[in-house]
Amino acid sequence: DTGVSQDPRHKITKRGQNVTFRCDPISEHNRLYWYRQTLGQGPEFLTYFQNEAQLEKSRLLSDRFSAERPKGSFSTLEIQRTEQGDSAMYLCANGQGPEAFFGQGTRLTVV
Amino acid sequence: GIQVEQSPPDLILQEGANSTLRCNFSDSVNNLQWFHQNPWGQLINLFYIPSGTKQNGRLSATTVATERYSLLYISSSQTTDSGVYFCAVDRVNDMRFGAGTRLTVKP
Repeated sequence: DTGVSQDPRHKITKRGQNVTFRCDPISEHNRLYWYRQTLGQGPEFLTYFQNEAQLEKSRLLSDRFSAERPKGSFSTLEIQRTEQGDSAMYLCANGQGPEAFFGQGTRLTVV
Repeated sequence: GIQVEQSPPDLILQEGANSTLRCNFSDSVNNLQWFHQNPWGQLINLFYIPSGTKQNGRLSATTVATERYSLLYISSSQTTDSGVYFCAVDRVNDMRFGAGTRLTVKP
């Protein structure tokens, strides 16, 4: 158990709907990452937070995607107007010391 | 951005065999980690190894930072070692993954 929990574990949504995922890291560790992983690929970096500040955003994070980390604790990733291409596993990682530890991910299916 | 290349992409072994997985990266890095992704998608930490050599049971890893590569060694492989192995490197404010090596260990 890495201490990083993600909710929900699975989400099925219709195209065009909005979805929000939550990541609860170990609160005293200030680094938090979001990734997207599609079948057969490595995790693709989406965004990075240090405490509540979003310091890095990938070009993959289109204007339909937004991430927040209020008060530097839990984080949310929202996808608006979902498309079938958004179907993927969304992973959250928490930096604990120099290492990053991952949650179990949220699997999104857009139908 | 930094490029991370892993080889081989696929590896099939007989139980008991040894293997070496390689990770090349295109620029200097602050951190390097090896992960094993299990069949349920969970990324399991294997090594944090920005430089030097570490061993943990049948697994060991070596990173030569000046030459921008890292190696993961698996000895006496077991069927439970099957899965995808990822290398991830961290410069500033991001951590980038390679495409992984898919290992299949046959009984």
